[in-house]
Amino acid sequence: DIQMTQSPASLSASLEEIVTITCQASQDIGNYLSWYQQKLGKSPQLLIHSATSLADGVPSRFSGSRSGTQYSLKINRLQVEDTGIYYCLQHYSAPWTFGGGTKLELK
Amino acid sequence: EVQLVESGGGLVQPGRSLKLSCAASGFTFSSFPMAWVRQAPKKGLEWVASISSGGGGTYYPDSVKGRFTISRDNAKSTLYLQMDSLRSEDTASYYCARHEPQLTHFDYWGQGVMVTVSS
Repeated sequence: DIQMTQSPASLSASLEEIVTITCQASQDIGNYLSWYQQKLGKSPQLLIHSATSLADGVPSRFSGSRSGTQYSLKINRLQVEDTGIYYCLQHYSAPWTFGGGTKLELK
Repeated sequence: EVQLVESGGGLVQPGRSLKLSCAASGFTFSSFPMAWVRQAPKKGLEWVASISSGGGGTYYPDSVKGRFTISRDNAKSTLYLQMDSLRSEDTASYYCARHEPQLTHFDYWGQGVMVTVSS
């Protein structure tokens, strides 16, 4: 199975700050990587697919990038509504596997 | 508007069975692969099962293979998850999710339904 190591596990940042979350895949998964945001008590929502493509309706301050088997989610100018838990997901091969999650809070 | 509404959750004893349903609307259900993803209390997300658009292909992780069965009724735009031989570690919120057509990422999620396995 492909392992997705996500870091950091938790993060506290200030309004307008730039935030970066990373996922390291245990093997090559190409661009088969997506990012999700889960707000407290809600279901996950798609942010980024295909490693770098912004999902419909997602603010442009979110972006995704890839360097080899390391994937990053960047939030420019953090807003109050961006707090929550973020997960990466590899969908290169079954079993599809999620990262452990990053809890993002406002400082 | 895409809507996915799960039902059928509840409290069940270990070893018993439960069947979840997910009613879909706002899109052509028969054109999209579908999936179930679960989340144990205060834990992360775990993929549970996927099914192709026509129902001919099903996929499971080892943790549920042989105990869970995903199925669909395209005429009713409904997805199902039959869960047998339930264990305490199956306690979780279960989300119905729509796959992108090539069976990759999940682009829409339901609100989730809670399943508690306890005596």
